[in-house]
Amino acid sequence: DTGVSQDPRHKITKRGQNVTFRCDPISEHNRLYWYRQTLGQGPEFLTYFQNEAQLEKSRLLSDRFSAERPKGSFSTLEIQRTEQGDSAMYLCASSSGLAGGPTDTQYFGPGTRLTVL
Amino acid sequence: DQQVKQNSPSLSVQEGRISILNCDYTNSMFDYFLWYKKYPAEGPTFLISISSIKDKNEDGRFTVFLNKSAKHLSLHIVPSQPGDSAVYFCAASARNSGYALNFGKGTSLLVTP
Repeated sequence: DTGVSQDPRHKITKRGQNVTFRCDPISEHNRLYWYRQTLGQGPEFLTYFQNEAQLEKSRLLSDRFSAERPKGSFSTLEIQRTEQGDSAMYLCASSSGLAGGPTDTQYFGPGTRLTVL
Repeated sequence: DQQVKQNSPSLSVQEGRISILNCDYTNSMFDYFLWYKKYPAEGPTFLISISSIKDKNEDGRFTVFLNKSAKHLSLHIVPSQPGDSAVYFCAASARNSGYALNFGKGTSLLVTP
């Protein structure tokens, strides 16, 4: 069990560029979550997947954001036409999904820090 | 709207003493509550959780208390150790939102020798 991994750890981009982040969950975890954390705030939920199905999206996930989990394993989060307000830490978490309820503890990756200039 | 609130941004405690971190929530649909610990440049690390059907859960030096009527939970760390210095996040989830976590803003705990 190597834990949740995220790539890249840091990304600096210019406003208007597209960026893509990758998350590899703990092996055999069915559920995968994306969160965003800005300075001085707690993580905020963006979206989650049960296997390859995207089951819920937060209103924070604007049209410029898209997430995929094509084979039910790794996931990507793409931000198009980045804005300075997108600068944040993007966190990925996974859970087993087996209990289907509250005992599905979410385990977080180290995050990708995005800076939009 | 902040549904989970941690009103103390920081807390300083002497080593060996008890640390008490507090959390309030507003959404009565929340049925599962968790505490995460976060070091700089790392993702949050799960610490302890409690279901709404319980009022206490204990794991070693860490105990979480839940008062549903007051919509309040607290994390007790006894005895506190310097390695406990970190930011602690309270989180809550509800069945009807896929157990997506709602986090507070965090409390920065400093344990001094």
